[in-house]
Amino acid sequence: NAGVTQTPKFQVLKTGQSMTLQCAQDMNHNSMYWYRQDPGMGLRLIYYSASEGTTDKGEVPNGYNVSRLNKREFSLRLESAAPSQTSVYFCASSVAAIANYGYTFGSGTRLTVV
Amino acid sequence: EDQVTQSPEALRLQEGESSSLNCSYTVSGLRGLFWYRQDPGKGPEFLFTLYSAGEEKEKERLKATLTKKESFLHITAPKPEDSATYLCAVRSNSGNTPLVFGKGTRLSVIA
Repeated sequence: NAGVTQTPKFQVLKTGQSMTLQCAQDMNHNSMYWYRQDPGMGLRLIYYSASEGTTDKGEVPNGYNVSRLNKREFSLRLESAAPSQTSVYFCASSVAAIANYGYTFGSGTRLTVV
Repeated sequence: EDQVTQSPEALRLQEGESSSLNCSYTVSGLRGLFWYRQDPGKGPEFLFTLYSAGEEKEKERLKATLTKKESFLHITAPKPEDSATYLCAVRSNSGNTPLVFGKGTRLSVIA
């Protein structure tokens, strides 16, 4: 089925370890986004890529880096994981950033940092 | 700064008991207001986009309305399968700004 695919679905890290969350979409969308969702905090934007070759910081970028590898793929890297980064991470995509389209979300990565 | 406030945080209804969820927003200029449904363990699923005050959209038992300051998601005669968290988001008309989400309303419909 067409959509947004995130890997892995679950991950446990030790404090200080690094990892990359992968996201790929097959809808030929131009814009991609990374959000984190915490209880009582809602969805908060980490980074986004309005188009291939561009990335911008969102509301909570500290501790994260991103790479827009090509039009399909947008990865999120944690260089040195901290317990505060325990969260559910969602990748999303949309046709375009400036047009008025909704987002298609992946099913999420549940990350625990111990 | 764009802000979205949803109320109530949680709502428990009996099957068939109609009600409304509220989304209040502050944005420099509204390009669109979005409603999503999120089931436990899944990503948000798009429901509606509203563009201007007075607009209404319907889907099965759900109807979304928009004023200049808030949006309502009306649920008519809900069923247990309507239980989910409902998220509201806004996009301003300044540049490439992404969606800003509210914290959601967790709806439980009891048979």
